[in-house]
Amino acid sequence: KNQVEQSPQSLIILEGKNCTLQCNYTVSPFSNLRWYKQDTGRGPVSLTIMTFSENTKSNGRYTATLDADTKQSSLHITASQLSDSASYICVVSVRDSNYQLIWGAGTKLIIKP
Amino acid sequence: DTGVSQNPRHKITKRGQNVTFRCDPISEHNRLYWYRQTLGQGPEFLTYFQNEAQLEKSRLLSDRFSAERPKGSFSTLEIQRTEQGDSAMYLCASSPHGTTDTQYFGPGTRLTVL
Repeated sequence: KNQVEQSPQSLIILEGKNCTLQCNYTVSPFSNLRWYKQDTGRGPVSLTIMTFSENTKSNGRYTATLDADTKQSSLHITASQLSDSASYICVVSVRDSNYQLIWGAGTKLIIKP
Repeated sequence: DTGVSQNPRHKITKRGQNVTFRCDPISEHNRLYWYRQTLGQGPEFLTYFQNEAQLEKSRLLSDRFSAERPKGSFSTLEIQRTEQGDSAMYLCASSPHGTTDTQYFGPGTRLTVL
């Protein structure tokens, strides 16, 4: 069964600190993996997308890694800001599918001043 | 604003009533997706269109749900005889082509069924 699991479910850190969110997936055949940021009451916004051959991708203070062998990804946030408070969702695409995205439940991140 | 827009943003209705949501995708995007999201969960795929053709429907989409995209531009999602379990955020997304392209999401329509 295609699944995406994220940990932790929620995380509280102080402003300025770094954090790492985890994503494990069992999706086959794999096409690509994305991280989305979703503010409360808003639609998700894409942060990064990585294909099978990519190990790391950065977007400002966000750095995503992908280990296709162990089927794990992480999202590292550096020097967190209050505006980083949101849910971060890992999404894996199924290869050769026109629509099939497997969504994780997300990690709810709260940044405290 | 050239992003995906959805209307209304919020809808409160009584059980048994019909509701209709509208999504206006980014104009040059030919693919349009509908998702449902409940609190603390990731979005669940409902259906998607390529231009005006509805190419796939999830098993989650019961007979009470219908979606259209008559001219390949905006789309509507109708829920008939709403139930309390239909309460959720309904998200629309669009993309230029397929799964290798990023889907751009609208702000969602939050439905509350009393």
